[in-house]
Amino acid sequence: EVQLLESGGGLVQPGGSLRLSCAVSGFTFSTYAISWVRQAPGKGLEWVSAISGSGDNTKFADSVNGRFTISRDYSRNTVHLQMSSLRVEDTAVYYCVRHPDYWGQGTLVTVSS
Amino acid sequence: QSALTQPRSVSGSPGQSVTISCTGTSSDVGGSEYVSWYRQDPGKAPKLMIYELTKRPSGVPDRFSGSKSGNTASLTISGLQAEDEADYYCCSHAGTYTWVFGGGTKVTVL
Repeated sequence: EVQLLESGGGLVQPGGSLRLSCAVSGFTFSTYAISWVRQAPGKGLEWVSAISGSGDNTKFADSVNGRFTISRDYSRNTVHLQMSSLRVEDTAVYYCVRHPDYWGQGTLVTVSS
Repeated sequence: QSALTQPRSVSGSPGQSVTISCTGTSSDVGGSEYVSWYRQDPGKAPKLMIYELTKRPSGVPDRFSGSKSGNTASLTISGLQAEDEADYYCCSHAGTYTWVFGGGTKVTVL
C-alpha cells in the first residue's frame, strides 16, 4: 500500500526556519518524483516544489524560490522540504504528493509572532 | 506560474449535469495530457477524480468525466447527487517537474 506521511510542522516566527519531512512507503522510492503542495487556511491548493526520482532535478514555485530547498534521503525513503526566511503568508497545510494519485494527510505550518 | 482559472462556484439540482472549466495556457493545459481533477472535503486531503484528462481511477463513478478543448479542460458531473457537494480543483503539468493548480470550484447541490 502506498503511503506518504508528513511531519515537522509547527509554529515558527517570521524569518525563522522549519524542515518538513515526507516518509514514503509502498513503492520504489527512486522511481517517482515527489512534490510539496500547500493550502493556506480557507484558500486553494498551490504547488510549491518538486524533486525528481534521482534527486538531480528540483523545481520551485516563484513564491518560495530562493527560500525553500528540497532533498531526498534514499536511506530513509524520505523527502525533506527545508523552509527558510518564513513569512506569514507561508502559513498553510503542506502536503507531499506522488502525482497524480497519492497524497499525505498534511502537516500544518503556522508562521506568526 | 499563474494559477489556472476555475469558476468560484457551480450549482445544480439532483440529477442534473454540471461542468467545471479550467482555463490555462499553451504552456500548461493546452500543451499537456497530464491534467487531473481532485475533490476535496473540509479538513481532508484532496482525492483524485480524473487523471490524464479523461481517465477515472478505480472507484470513481462514471458520472465523472473529463475533457479538453484548446487551453481549457473541463470536469463534468452527470446525474448530480447530494454527496457530490465539495470543492473541486484542476491541476496541470506545466513543465519538467512543475505543476499548477486551479483556484478551486465549490459545487453546490440545490
